[in-house]
Amino acid sequence: AQSVTQLGSHVSVSEGALVLLRCNYSSSVPPYLFWYVQYPNQGLQLLLKYTSAATLVKGINGFEAEFKKSETSFHLTKPSAHMSDAAEYFCAVSDQTGANNLFFGTGTRLTVIP
Amino acid sequence: GAVVSQHPSRVICKSGTSVKIECRSLDFQATTMFWYRQFPKKSLMLMATSNEGSKATYEQGVEKDKFLINHASLTLSTLTVTSAHPEDSSFYICSARDRGGSNEKLFFGSGTQLSVL
Repeated sequence: AQSVTQLGSHVSVSEGALVLLRCNYSSSVPPYLFWYVQYPNQGLQLLLKYTSAATLVKGINGFEAEFKKSETSFHLTKPSAHMSDAAEYFCAVSDQTGANNLFFGTGTRLTVIP
Repeated sequence: GAVVSQHPSRVICKSGTSVKIECRSLDFQATTMFWYRQFPKKSLMLMATSNEGSKATYEQGVEKDKFLINHASLTLSTLTVTSAHPEDSSFYICSARDRGGSNEKLFFGSGTQLSVL
């Protein structure tokens, strides 16, 4: 079984401040891990993904995430928040066969304060 | 990059009518497409997995006779909400996986907001 837990349904940061969105996963098999961003009334856009290569993954828009097996975590960070980063962020996990579905967390809404 | 087109983006219908939502992969062949439902402030709930040329696999609790899925070609899957009721109002999102691809190559449509009056 696989699942992800996103701590904090709502995170607020000031423009220019560090962004940290937390994701912990549970998986009985080696996982693939993903972060997606969703803007209002839009679908999901892939930010970055961990697929068992480098544990520090860099994505689009300056985001990165680090896979920490010992902590079963895959937290998303960005050094300096922009107003345009305000959106809903979803962490997701799947197995590495690619045959099965993604399991999504409940999402974290990021608000950026000017 | 790969694009998935979902249409319509927004639909309002009367209770009892049926609504069809289309999901197209524009520049790749999608042997597998997924349909999700998203409630306000909630995560995406997988409704069904659609494989080209075969019957869709529905998740537990999803009524297959109410949510009809057709995946007749490698580039098109449709979700028809039959006899829609207000409780069916939701945001529906499709995703498509490139032929032979894993979840690394999963692309999402822009979603359809369904409002049933």
